[in-house]
Amino acid sequence: GAGVSQSPRYKVTKRGQDVALRCDPISGHVSLYWYRQALGQGPEFLTYFNYEAQQDKSGLPNDRFSAERPEGSISTLTIQRTEQRDSAMYRCASSVTGRTEAFFGQGTRLTVV
Amino acid sequence: KQEVTQIPAALSVPEGENLVLNCSFTDSAIYNLQWFRQDPGKGLTSLLLIQSSQREQTSGRLNASLDKSSGRSTLYIAASQPGDSATYLCACGVNRDDKIIFGKGTRLHILP
Repeated sequence: GAGVSQSPRYKVTKRGQDVALRCDPISGHVSLYWYRQALGQGPEFLTYFNYEAQQDKSGLPNDRFSAERPEGSISTLTIQRTEQRDSAMYRCASSVTGRTEAFFGQGTRLTVV
Repeated sequence: KQEVTQIPAALSVPEGENLVLNCSFTDSAIYNLQWFRQDPGKGLTSLLLIQSSQREQTSGRLNASLDKSSGRSTLYIAASQPGDSATYLCACGVNRDDKIIFGKGTRLHILP
């Protein structure tokens, strides 16, 4: 596609349920980043991949959060046993390589009720 | 750990004025610095990218400068328009771990 695509755009889930957020990067982009953004704050780094390899997951808040990119293209961020504090905008970005311009998707707004 | 600070947090100016948004970072070992625009409910739009070897970049009415040694970048907006109202975010690409670290942004409101 022309840009980074994230789905769903909006997700409302009940506390305790698992959710999977999808990111489809720009075709051919090697690097893919996941961020979380609370209202009025800047995006907070979660994790990033080069190809299928997860390079850094130090920003994942706890072991309920995981991410994968099995074929080096689409990535999934999974949150298990969701809690209300997980409610936020989740953003994905991709870049041609690790140190080039990053392009962001529209984000997924997650609400845990 | 890289920390990125943006000042001011919010700014309101009359239409037509020139303005400067500030970004400072604690770790000068960066590979680039990127300025983004964020509109309510929308994604982040890349405005300007400055490589670590560059001093400035220009796009239309926007000019971004980078002073790595002092850990500062500025975004200059000339002849501001109501359509410039948005949140502006700066982000540093850190050499040590390849992360991109964001500031909290400056919320800009241009008064018609």
